Amino acid sequence: QKEVEQNSGPLSVPEGAIASLNCTYSDRGSQSFFWYRQYSGKSPELIMSIYSNGDKEDGRFTAQLNKASQYVSLLIRDSQPSDSATYLCAVNAGTASKLTFGTGTRLQVTL
Amino acid sequence: DTAVSQTPKYLVTQMGNDKSIKCEQNLGHDTMYWYKQDSKKFLKIMFSYNNKELIINETVPNRFSPKSPDKAHLNLHINSLELGDSAVYFCASSFTGKNSPLHFGNGTRLTVT
Repeated sequence: QKEVEQNSGPLSVPEGAIASLNCTYSDRGSQSFFWYRQYSGKSPELIMSIYSNGDKEDGRFTAQLNKASQYVSLLIRDSQPSDSATYLCAVNAGTASKLTFGTGTRLQVTL
Repeated sequence: DTAVSQTPKYLVTQMGNDKSIKCEQNLGHDTMYWYKQDSKKFLKIMFSYNNKELIINETVPNRFSPKSPDKAHLNLHINSLELGDSAVYFCASSFTGKNSPLHFGNGTRLTVT
């Protein structure tokens, strides 16, 4: 079983819709969760971090964490073509300096 | 500009050669990393240094040798390059601590022919 799992996609949503990206993780001791966006040929950039159960909102982005279900998600409201990228879920499983990444979900926002 | 910068951006070389990638950060972070991203975009940690001390050394061939002269610099030397080493190598940095996100450099695309 992979430590951090994501559906590779592509996930296709029309412009203006809500994109929902999901991630599950295997280590119950995981404490820190991050979403990164990576455009083709570019480096990952941090979008959101979440550390406690519930929702965390930042502009059009909402991260949701459910530690009991070992599940973290990212919602993108009012999706724009510029949101088309690969979204990487990253989990810190307890070791202070080790982030484990999922394989990423490719999002396509269509006009 | 505050950033993580790595050089070179592209590296094309033949099998058997030795090459180095350099990384520097001016964010004041005390932990630096090397990650490898393969053709399927899977990003996997290779090494981590905290204040010049190696703290993470994943299952990586010993042809790969990191070196951190100070907490702002982390270099990666690769000996006897193989075709399978072709990938994008990302340097990253962070503060120590579980809640500290990584900040990535722009990556070095290594192509071994």
